[in-house]
Amino acid sequence: KQEVTQIPAALSVPEGENLVLNCSFTDSAIYNLQWFRQDPGKGLTSLLLIQSSQREQTSGRLNASLDKSSGRSTLYIAASQPGDSATYLCAVRQTGANNLFFGTGTRLTVIP
Amino acid sequence: SAVISQKPSRDICQRGTSLTIQCQVDSQVTMMFWYRQQPGQSLTLIATANQGSEATYESGFVIDKFPISRPNLTFSTLTVSNMSPEDSSIYLCSFKVTDTEAFFGQGTRLTVV
Repeated sequence: KQEVTQIPAALSVPEGENLVLNCSFTDSAIYNLQWFRQDPGKGLTSLLLIQSSQREQTSGRLNASLDKSSGRSTLYIAASQPGDSATYLCAVRQTGANNLFFGTGTRLTVIP
Repeated sequence: SAVISQKPSRDICQRGTSLTIQCQVDSQVTMMFWYRQQPGQSLTLIATANQGSEATYESGFVIDKFPISRPNLTFSTLTVSNMSPEDSSIYLCSFKVTDTEAFFGQGTRLTVV
């Protein structure tokens, strides 16, 4: 069974810093990987989707990379802002499946 | 992207009662999923449901506890039955609108007292 792990579990940085969130998965037979943002008590907002054939995706200050063979993905956030404070979840979709396997999340706090 | 409306957004319920959560999407979708997020945990899939067929439940989840309806391609409900405090979680619906990307409702924060 696919297992998804995210490190660190929590991260606190001063405003303006660049930061990297890590995601690893045990089964490399994935169809795609998706990064989400979750605000406290709320649902999920999709940030970036990387297909298994892609190496990275960018959206604004966010850049996500994927190394399928090593079972890793990173989410890079440039010039962090207090509004970026949230929990970031990565999720993988297995080849041949439709549901997602979620990581445990990284709770990010950006200090003004 | 699809617009997904989930309600209620939160509720506080007495143990032994049931709560039905509704999810409405603004376009027709084939596959939908219900997830649970227990406090401090990540999301766990409860079941997968397609219109016109019974839901497929993951290990540890049963239909008697979490009955699901899928009357059409834009609407679904999840009922949490005979609730106990252990059912206190955030419940989220998800639709696979395209072949690739998954979208989620806003979540229902359930507290059982």
